[in-house]
Amino acid sequence: SQQGEEDPQALSIQEGENATMNCSYKTSINNLQWYRQNSGRGLVHLILIRSNEREKHSGRLRVTLDTSKKSSSLLITASRAADTASYFCANQDTGRRALTFGSGTRLQVQP
Amino acid sequence: DTEVTQTPKHLVMGMTNKKSLKCEQHMGHRAMYWYKQKAKKPPELMFVYSYEKLSINESVPSRFSPECPNSSLLNLHLHALQPEDSALYLCASSQETGAMRTIYFGEGSWLTVV
Repeated sequence: SQQGEEDPQALSIQEGENATMNCSYKTSINNLQWYRQNSGRGLVHLILIRSNEREKHSGRLRVTLDTSKKSSSLLITASRAADTASYFCANQDTGRRALTFGSGTRLQVQP
Repeated sequence: DTEVTQTPKHLVMGMTNKKSLKCEQHMGHRAMYWYKQKAKKPPELMFVYSYEKLSINESVPSRFSPECPNSSLLNLHLHALQPEDSALYLCASSQETGAMRTIYFGEGSWLTVV
């Protein structure tokens, strides 16, 4: 399977704290993307980082990518209760036209 | 709000029924996808259409039959399903402009096979 792994599987924090999720993948990639999914809903694209980038910011989100370690991390700063969701990394490898999703992290932000 | 629309939102079907899931996008995207997602699991790719032609079939059983009538529509025909096929089925689309593409998802169709 090309599916990557994410850790932690579940994370519970207090509002205002930062949340960090890690993702590892197996293949050579064109880019890595992060998606968010509220319970039972569709996935929403958060951020895309290209294979030649090391860090990217979008609002309260910071993504890093280390291609030598085949890993990425997503940092959500100053978390809010509304950030409660599952977060998935997804890689688009150099040979395929579709995304392969990691196992996901379930984030619970307590108000 | 998502610009990929899926219908129906919920579907309950018997193992001998024939039903279809429908997906529509009006973003001018030329790639469309079906993903299957079980509870607390990541989405798993089923099919990819590129320019209305099937380009990837991830060894999906023939009881699932995709169809792309035109560049805006994608269907998934269901026949003789099993209870283990119960899942959230997600449709998605993207531009066909190289590797750096964002994939946009619909809200999904919840399928229950009884």
